[in-house]
Amino acid sequence: DSGVTQTPKHLITATGQRVTLRCSPRSGDLSVYWYQQSLDQGLQFLIQYYNGEERAKGNILERFSAQQFPDLHSELNLSSLELGDSALYFCASSAQGQGQPQHFGDGTRLSIL
Amino acid sequence: AQKVTQAQTEISVVEKEDVTLDCVYETRDTTYYLFWYKQPPSGELVFLIRRNSFDEQNEISGRYSWNFQKSTSSFNFTITASQVVDSAVYFCALSRNSGYSTLTFGKGTMLLVSP
Repeated sequence: DSGVTQTPKHLITATGQRVTLRCSPRSGDLSVYWYQQSLDQGLQFLIQYYNGEERAKGNILERFSAQQFPDLHSELNLSSLELGDSALYFCASSAQGQGQPQHFGDGTRLSIL
Repeated sequence: AQKVTQAQTEISVVEKEDVTLDCVYETRDTTYYLFWYKQPPSGELVFLIRRNSFDEQNEISGRYSWNFQKSTSSFNFTITASQVVDSAVYFCALSRNSGYSTLTFGKGTMLLVSP
C-alpha cells in the first residue's frame, strides 16, 4: 500500500461528458503529480501541484484541468471527453526534497464509450 | 529534453533463470535521478529503487540488483533466480535534480516468468 488513494477505481462514461478524478496524497507529502498511461503514449506526465500551487505542466490537454485543495487532496477534471482519452490515470505524491521518489496510487481506469 | 529508452519490449524466461532489463537514458543535466518501478498485472505502480547520478555504486536488494554506468548512460536491472511473482511490466524513469522534478518514463519492459 503506497498510501496514495485514488477514487474511483473505474469510470465508464460517454464522449462529450465531464469527469472528476480524485487523489489523496500520502500523509505529509505536499507534492501531487498526475500521469496518464495509454497503450500508444505510455506513461505521460500531465501536471504537478505543490502545496496548492501549480508547479509544472506536461502534455496536458486544454480540456483537462486540475487543482490541489488546502487539505492537499487533488482533483483532475477531464471535459469534452473523446474516445482517445480512455486511459489509466495515476496520481502520485512525494515528500519535499531533491529526487524524492514518487509513490503512486492504484490509478483510475477511464473508459469512454 | 530527457529521454529514457527500454529497448526490450517483452522478455520471457523460465522460473529460476536470471534476467536483465536494460535502460538507457539521455539528459543534458549533469546531476539527475534514476528510478525503477514495477507494474504487476493488477495495475498499480510500485517504486523499487532510486539512484542519484553522483553514486555509481551497484546496489543489491535480495534477488534484485542494479548496475548504474554513467559512462554509457545506462541503469540496468537484474533479477536473479526469477519467480512467477516477478511477472510484471518494469519501467525505468529519469528526473532532474530538483525538489519538484517530474518523471520521464521509458516505454516499459514486460517480463513474463513461467513455471
